[in-house]
Amino acid sequence: DAGVIQSPRHEVTEMGQEVTLRCKPISGHDYLFWYRQTMMRGLELLIYFNNNVPIDDSGMPEDRFSAKMPNASFSTLKIQPSEPRDSAVYFCASSFGLMGRAGNTIYFGEGSWLTVV
Amino acid sequence: SQELEQSPQSLIVQEGKNLTINCTSSKTLYGLYWYKQKYGEGLIFLMMLQKGGEEKSHEKITAKLDEKKQQSSLHITASQPSHAGIYLCGADIRGGSNYKLTFGKGTLLTVNP
Repeated sequence: DAGVIQSPRHEVTEMGQEVTLRCKPISGHDYLFWYRQTMMRGLELLIYFNNNVPIDDSGMPEDRFSAKMPNASFSTLKIQPSEPRDSAVYFCASSFGLMGRAGNTIYFGEGSWLTVV
Repeated sequence: SQELEQSPQSLIVQEGKNLTINCTSSKTLYGLYWYKQKYGEGLIFLMMLQKGGEEKSHEKITAKLDEKKQQSSLHITASQPSHAGIYLCGADIRGGSNYKLTFGKGTLLTVNP
């Protein structure tokens, strides 16, 4: 299996620009998660989907952030407009079933490193 | 305050030494997960513990879950440079239908040859 695939791996953009991060989950997985990792706050859950439906977006920092999952094999995280404080590593992850409930493992992509200057 | 506290924040050991990393939750644990992360890479799943008293091993890494103490420990025996990286614990500490996997801030392990 190819694993969770994220793109781009690295992105440098100017403040105010729109940023779109993409994710392809593992085939057959019904849960998809977006995380953000910073030195100060560690790994934070932004939003997660179940069967393409957003379940909990309480971790999304503000209205500048939006996420979609138009089908089972693709999701996007968009930041518009971007700000320097959005600089972080954004991880996408997927699992089959709820972690902790069915004892399933959540698999992470290699992350998208975003720098907003 | 952090719901999952890891200690120590960083650790430097000489190759061949044993070490322990702890993860303590402020709430009831519904499954505890250990991941390893290398700089510039994603998180690699190591082990998952669900029941109090459970202990699992993979090669030279052993993890235990003390459910009553809401704590887990990760022990590495005879450390090697390949063990270097950031170790993260994650747990579902919400329960019910409001599922949310929370992570600690990680422990940075350096193994000197």
